[in-house]
Amino acid sequence: GNSVTQMEGPVTLSEEAFLTINCTYTATGYPSLFWYVQYPGEGLQLLLKATKADDKGSNKGFEATYRKETTSFHLEKGSVQVSDSAVYFCALSYDMRFGAGTRLTVKP
Amino acid sequence: GAGVSQSPSNKVTEKGKDVELRCDPISGHTALYWYRQSLGQGLEFLIYFQGNSAPDKSGLPSDRFSAERTGGSVSTLTIQRTQQEDSAVYLCASSIEGTSGWSSYNEQFFGPGTRLTVL
Repeated sequence: GNSVTQMEGPVTLSEEAFLTINCTYTATGYPSLFWYVQYPGEGLQLLLKATKADDKGSNKGFEATYRKETTSFHLEKGSVQVSDSAVYFCALSYDMRFGAGTRLTVKP
Repeated sequence: GAGVSQSPSNKVTEKGKDVELRCDPISGHTALYWYRQSLGQGLEFLIYFQGNSAPDKSGLPSDRFSAERTGGSVSTLTIQRTQQEDSAVYLCASSIEGTSGWSSYNEQFFGPGTRLTVL
């Protein structure tokens, strides 16, 4: 069946460090892939998405590339800020299941 | 425009009581989802409605949980005989269309959630 496996963390980084949060998936067909973010005290919101293989989603300095050959959609940011502290969820379009979430804390 | 709204924002109840949680999706969205997020945990899928199709109830944890969607819009999640382990934030989301076909790309829009505390 369809599933998403996400690096769970928690992850603690210093400001301006490089971030990678791993996400791999198992699915048949051609799902779309998403990263959602939940800032402290706020609801979940879409961060970025990719709808087909080799697509790169990007937003707010974050990027993720849909890699069909490795069934991955890793989230990256070159230089994190304190304001990026949040919980990040990887998701698969037609499964309606989310990854376990990765809590990121960025320290000044 | 208006986003997904949920009510109440907070609900405290006693063990054994029934509760109803409401979700108003974005107008025109045919798909509606309920999730549960326990403290420090990820999102747990509960139930999914798509148009007039039979709902996908595969995530409901027990028969104490039920949900309905009236007129293809507002949804109510009902928990009967609440237990302390039901304490969580219940999230509702909607999307333009549901999961059908091999290449759907249905971004979900989430409501702020209802924080349920069972004493």
